[in-house]
Amino acid sequence: KNQVEQSPQSLIILEGKNCTLQCNYTVSPFSNLRWYKQDTGRGPVSLTIMTFSENTKSNGRYTATLDADTKQSSLHITASQLSDSASYICVVRAPRSYQLTFGKGTKLSVIP
Amino acid sequence: SAVISQKPSRDICQRGTSLTIQCQVDSQVTMMFWYRQQPGQSLTLIATANQGSEATYESGFVIDKFPISRPNLTFSTLTVSNMSPEDSSIYLCSVEALIRTDTQYFGPGTRLTVL
Repeated sequence: KNQVEQSPQSLIILEGKNCTLQCNYTVSPFSNLRWYKQDTGRGPVSLTIMTFSENTKSNGRYTATLDADTKQSSLHITASQLSDSASYICVVRAPRSYQLTFGKGTKLSVIP
Repeated sequence: SAVISQKPSRDICQRGTSLTIQCQVDSQVTMMFWYRQQPGQSLTLIATANQGSEATYESGFVIDKFPISRPNLTFSTLTVSNMSPEDSSIYLCSVEALIRTDTQYFGPGTRLTVL
């Protein structure tokens, strides 16, 4: 069964600090891996997308990395802001399919 | 990108009643999906809404409990029937664009509480 595991489950950091969220997956092969940000009471919004051959992708203060050999991805947030408080979800897509496998997400709280 | 709206945004319902959730997209899309997100859990696909035909349900979900309609390329409804407290969740509509982009866009979700 395809699985996506995320860690930590939750994280509290001070405003301005950096943090890294982890994602381990078993989906193989895969079409792409995305990181979504989900604000409370809202739907997920895509932050980054990486295909099998990509190692890193940045979107402003968000940088995702991918190691297809170890089946791990990380999302690094630089200089965190209060508005970064949200759940971050790792999602892996099966090839030639609409099937997505979702992680449970990491709940990030940025405090002043 | 596709802009998706859902109605209602939230509701509190009594056990045994039914609620219909609407999903409207601002452009024609090929695929529309309905997901459930239970508290503290990841998103789970309920079904794929097919235009003009019966929806395709995932294991564990049945049409009698979650009837779905999709009369055209921009609109779909999900009904949660005979609700129980276990149905309390966020229900999300998502879509794939007409030209395949390997991207699913998600609606804002409907937060349902069943008493």
